[in-house]
Amino acid sequence: DGGITQSPKYLFRKEGQNVTLSCEQNLNHDAMYWYRQDPGQGLRLIYYSQIVNDFQKGDIAEGYSVSREKKESFPLTVTSAQKNPTAFYLCASSIESGDSNQPQHFGDGTRLSIL
Amino acid sequence: AQKVTQAQTEISVVEKEDVTLDCVYETRDTTYYLFWYKQPPSGELVFLIRRNSFDEQNEISGRYSWNFQKSTSSFNFTITASQVVDSAVYFCALWEYGNKLVFGAGTILRVKS
Repeated sequence: DGGITQSPKYLFRKEGQNVTLSCEQNLNHDAMYWYRQDPGQGLRLIYYSQIVNDFQKGDIAEGYSVSREKKESFPLTVTSAQKNPTAFYLCASSIESGDSNQPQHFGDGTRLSIL
Repeated sequence: AQKVTQAQTEISVVEKEDVTLDCVYETRDTTYYLFWYKQPPSGELVFLIRRNSFDEQNEISGRYSWNFQKSTSSFNFTITASQVVDSAVYFCALWEYGNKLVFGAGTILRVKS
């Protein structure tokens, strides 16, 4: 079945360590997104990519980095510069971005915690 | 700036009751889209509906219905005869031309048997 796969489901980070969250989609979608969800808050956009080898910062990009070398993959790295990384991270994709208003399809999420 | 307000943090109902989840939005644009997503305990967000700003017709899909009123900038979601499986966090979101999707804080719905 087509969908979005995020791994791992749970991740623990030590102080000063970078960690990478995986997101893979087989929906042939052009656009991919990373969101952060904190308790009692809506989703906040970290980074998004409309096309391979291109990505833009969202509202809370500081302390995060991404790459988009393949259409199917959009990994997110949480760097040591992100001082409060504990959150639930959701990856999404849609048919197109830019002027698009197409529904986004979401993965199951990765829960990141600090050791 | 666009903004979405879901004033109800948490709602508890007994199975078979009807429940309405409120969503109020702010936008300066005349062209925009509104969405509702459901987040069950498993974590993924499930798309429920998309409505554009030019279509104010109410929509019904099974036990779900949506009431879009531009005059009050609201896009409320009603579940009729709620079931335990409806327990989830529900998010309202706004997409405005040239911008990205903005989510409300979500409403936790607990349906008790």
